[in-house]
Amino acid sequence: EVQLVESGGMLVQPGGSLTLSCAASGFTFRSYAMSWVRQTAGKGLEWVSGIGLSDSTYYADSVKGRFTVSRDNSKNMMYLHMNSLRAEDTAVFYCVKELSAGFIRWHFDLWGRGTLVTVSS
Amino acid sequence: DIEMTQSPSSLSASVGDRVTITCRASQNIDNDLNWYQQKSGKAPKFLIYRTSTLQSGVPSRFSGSGSGTDFTLTIGSLQPEDFATYYCQHAVTFGGGTKVEIK
Repeated sequence: EVQLVESGGMLVQPGGSLTLSCAASGFTFRSYAMSWVRQTAGKGLEWVSGIGLSDSTYYADSVKGRFTVSRDNSKNMMYLHMNSLRAEDTAVFYCVKELSAGFIRWHFDLWGRGTLVTVSS
Repeated sequence: DIEMTQSPSSLSASVGDRVTITCRASQNIDNDLNWYQQKSGKAPKFLIYRTSTLQSGVPSRFSGSGSGTDFTLTIGSLQPEDFATYYCQHAVTFGGGTKVEIK
């Protein structure tokens, strides 16, 4: 089955750090760019970060310098390392896959169920 | 940065109605516009890409049109399972969403 499964979301204090993981299965992970998209409670969607095939990385201005995306093609895994977390980072984080193999086009055809990150003291 | 504006933010419709949702880009984006459907408590679902290409498995009552800055998502005959929030997207920017509710 083609799927993405996120994990690692939890309650963390402001200024803290957290790493999210995304386990991919059912497709040739190493052939697809991947991204993280988040959604705040009752609000819309915000693209957070993306990673290409050659480990090229991309970040939204709101997280640049604080978040780092990485991937391990041998394990079919993507990660999001988050530092200096703020209350406004509280959201459900989704792992998403590109529609077509190759570079990032921001056509997200597969989404995980999401993992909740809550930043609060 | 390009901004994506959807209208209306919500609408009420009945089963069988034809529904149209509009998405406007702050500058020309050619045909690089995608649509997603999100049901309550679920992840978004990829509906349409490059303005009008239906993702595999999406019912033909869904259609997309437009170019440049103005785009529309049309549901030809609204079905009970279509009540959801719809988002347009260009590259890294999503629209604010349109919630389709039961009238």
